[in-house]
Amino acid sequence: AQTVTQSQPEMSVQEAETVTLSCTYDTSESDYYLFWYKQPPSRQMILVIRQEAYKQQNATENRFSVNFQKAAKSFSLKISDSQLGDAAMYFCAYSLPGAQKLVFGQGTRLTINP
Amino acid sequence: DSGVTQTPKHLITATGQRVTLRCSPRSGDLSVYWYQQSLDQGLQFLIQYYNGEERAKGNILERFSAQQFPDLHSELNLSSLELGDSALYFCASSVEGRARPQYFGPGTRLLVL
Repeated sequence: AQTVTQSQPEMSVQEAETVTLSCTYDTSESDYYLFWYKQPPSRQMILVIRQEAYKQQNATENRFSVNFQKAAKSFSLKISDSQLGDAAMYFCAYSLPGAQKLVFGQGTRLTINP
Repeated sequence: DSGVTQTPKHLITATGQRVTLRCSPRSGDLSVYWYQQSLDQGLQFLIQYYNGEERAKGNILERFSAQQFPDLHSELNLSSLELGDSALYFCASSVEGRARPQYFGPGTRLLVL
């Protein structure tokens, strides 16, 4: 069974600084997808970024980028120029190709210090 | 706004009761997923429907059931409720195809007293 592990229950960063959230996963598949979702205090789940395992290039979305290390089964999220609105729970998630269920990590609570 | 709607937003009920949570997917999305978020279990997949048919089942209790209707909206029925069923229930939807992400609704917060 696939598992996703986020080893940092909480992280904090100064506004405008850069922070990296860690995620590792376990799978025997070679083709899969990885996602980061953000859950602000409103509890809405918001897609931040996604990565296809067969693509070597790391995904980027504005201030958000990932470091995807397939051999190490690692998928970290880097947030540059942190903003107060980035404060949230961040969940790493895995899925197989096609319309498949998401397997989530336990989440990392990110605090932004002004 | 993800385009996925869920009703009601909040639900307070008593143990032993039955409730129905409703979800309308984004326009064009044929897949609907239900997830439960609780403090002790985290975010867990419950069940998936695709174009009216059950496609995958996760950690869904026998007291829970779901269906997807011809207009693609979905309902999650929770019966014989227990205190431990208190959680945030999310619906998500997606289209078929590679790398298609799931978009989540705002969730229904269920409190069983």
